[in-house]
Amino acid sequence: NFMLTQPHSVSESPGKTVTISCTRSSGSIASNFVQWYQQRPGSAPTTVIYDNNQRPSGVPDRFSGSIDSSSNSASLTISGLKTEDEADYYCQSYDNSNPYVVFGGGTKLTVL
Amino acid sequence: QVQMVESGGGVVQPGLSLRLSCAASGFTFSSYAMHWVRQAPGKGLEWVAVISYDGGNKYYADSVKGRFTISRDNSRNTLFLQINSLRAEDTAVYYCASGNYHRAESWGQGTLVTVSS
Repeated sequence: NFMLTQPHSVSESPGKTVTISCTRSSGSIASNFVQWYQQRPGSAPTTVIYDNNQRPSGVPDRFSGSIDSSSNSASLTISGLKTEDEADYYCQSYDNSNPYVVFGGGTKLTVL
Repeated sequence: QVQMVESGGGVVQPGLSLRLSCAASGFTFSSYAMHWVRQAPGKGLEWVAVISYDGGNKYYADSVKGRFTISRDNSRNTLFLQINSLRAEDTAVYYCASGNYHRAESWGQGTLVTVSS
């Protein structure tokens, strides 16, 4: 199985833009869709991006997702940062050879 | 609205068993694959298992294979996770989530399992 590697933490100021990366260790990032989940402190995860770049209803368009085959990574970009965006963010993908779901280690976003 | 409520967690001694439940409402439960995902205290998310919409296919993380059993009762809109031979490293919040085989869409609030003597 492959691994998804995320930065442990990122920080940015309100109103700015931040990008969180998620690098796949083996196999192509483009082979399988990537999801992003937000987990605020003390709460359950929620989906903010699915299928690389799709937003569930109710998720603001400040959140966007993309993949980059050259770096074999996916990215979550949050623009116009708000203090309420402070949370842990997890990327997730899967393996074609089996339905195993793989999570990244998570990135703690601090908005200060 | 979509809602999933987990139950069955608690403090359990090592070596014993536990059965978690996840009661779903607000969507057509029998049309969705269902996942269990766990999170140890202060750690990240770990996928545990998935079951197909009809219960015919089940897959497990290597770390739980042989000890955990996922099942569902579509007539009761309920998902289950049977955990046997509990270990300290099974201590975690257990979340159920609806989706397809490859991703979660909606998540429950979780139930805490603590394995301790």
